[in-house]
Amino acid sequence: DADVTQTPRNRITKTGKRIMLECSQTKGHDRMYWYRQDPGLGLRLIYYSFDVKDINKGEISDGYSVSRQAQAKFSLSLESAIPNQTALYFCATSTRAGANVLTFGAGSRLTVL
Amino acid sequence: EDKVVQSPLSLVVHEGDTVTLNCSYEVTNFRSLLWYKQEKKAPTFLFMLTSSGIEKKSGRLSSILDKKELFSILNITATQTGDSAVYLCAVETSGTYKYIFGTGTRLKVLA
Repeated sequence: DADVTQTPRNRITKTGKRIMLECSQTKGHDRMYWYRQDPGLGLRLIYYSFDVKDINKGEISDGYSVSRQAQAKFSLSLESAIPNQTALYFCATSTRAGANVLTFGAGSRLTVL
Repeated sequence: EDKVVQSPLSLVVHEGDTVTLNCSYEVTNFRSLLWYKQEKKAPTFLFMLTSSGIEKKSGRLSSILDKKELFSILNITATQTGDSAVYLCAVETSGTYKYIFGTGTRLKVLA
């Protein structure tokens, strides 16, 4: 099983719908991140969390919310999806101990029609 | 504003060529610089660099960091078609512990 699991892997939805992307990890990492990837724009940080009581906005948090339900689970919600939120979304984790290599999930491709 | 800039944006070479990918950065509180390779899926880790002048090497890939001039390079020698990918550079900041990514360099290696 993957260390960082994202569900769903692919989702097509309509404008105005509420969407939740889920991320769970078995690495025991305390830090979790949500990134969005668009062609030509690289990876941009949406939200990040260092523990269940510590949630921080990234550079593009508008239109998104998150929930850290447990150390191992970090969900991203789009309350009312719009077409320009069509993108590839990655969850990632890291740890404060030792080398802080960011480990990625497989990605969730979201299409908003 | 923290930023990471990669160049070139894209590159097409033939098998056997050597390529150099560049990453420059302007961030407050630098902690480390990371290189990732992304094929049609999640980025996979290549190198982490924290000290200037110390080359990291893995097979045909190598990377070095210059903290005075604020840049890193990733070299790939004797390129193969399997090296075709997007190469991402990211800088981790201390204090906030965020990872800021460049837009990537898309490398295509022709047989």
